[in-house]
Amino acid sequence: NAGVTQTPKFQVLKTGQSMTLQCAQDMNHNSMYWYRQDPGMGLRLIYYSASEGTTDKGEVPNGYNVSRLNKREFSLRLESAAPSQTSVYFCASSEVPPGGTVNTEAFFGQGTRLTVV
Amino acid sequence: SQQGEEDPQALSIQEGENATMNCSYKTSINNLQWYRQNSGRGLVHLILIRSNEREKHSGRLRVTLDTSKKSSSLLITASRAADTASYFCATEAQGAQKLVFGQGTRLTINP
Repeated sequence: NAGVTQTPKFQVLKTGQSMTLQCAQDMNHNSMYWYRQDPGMGLRLIYYSASEGTTDKGEVPNGYNVSRLNKREFSLRLESAAPSQTSVYFCASSEVPPGGTVNTEAFFGQGTRLTVV
Repeated sequence: SQQGEEDPQALSIQEGENATMNCSYKTSINNLQWYRQNSGRGLVHLILIRSNEREKHSGRLRVTLDTSKKSSSLLITASRAADTASYFCATEAQGAQKLVFGQGTRLTINP
């Protein structure tokens, strides 16, 4: 059971380059999230998707775009990478149980360590 | 700004002692969750407490929730070296299907 899979695990970009971080989950979850983690800052929410076809901004969306390609996949794109986007990126997913409106526990991928030089 | 704030930011205790971490948040919530993160790894869910619950146990973990004070605490009893990790609280605010994290408490258990 793979859970949440992120690719790549490591990436080095030059300033101005673009790239897409991929995330896929095999748990049939409705909700998916992208976070970034910087030293001493905890996790900050970039974007989230409450269901297939919907996306919403989190705390720090500037410089990023997302696509909820289908129920399984949620990608994060950096159009023009900046050194300030050097961070560890985590994807997560969770579900709202049938008949409910509140998410249960979130499952996390292992992270993508991105360095922008 | 982040919804949850953990206190203390760092905690160092001897193996066998109890560890207590606190979390405060700002808005009304549906639930509050605690996660653990070992160095360089992803987050692992520990326990979820709903807004209408006051206390929950799971093994050596005890979580309390005081919605009137907008605060929660995580108690780890009889700590072990393997409990060394960062611990985060996360909240789902009412009316918002998103999970927002605090800055975490870095716990070190000394053998």
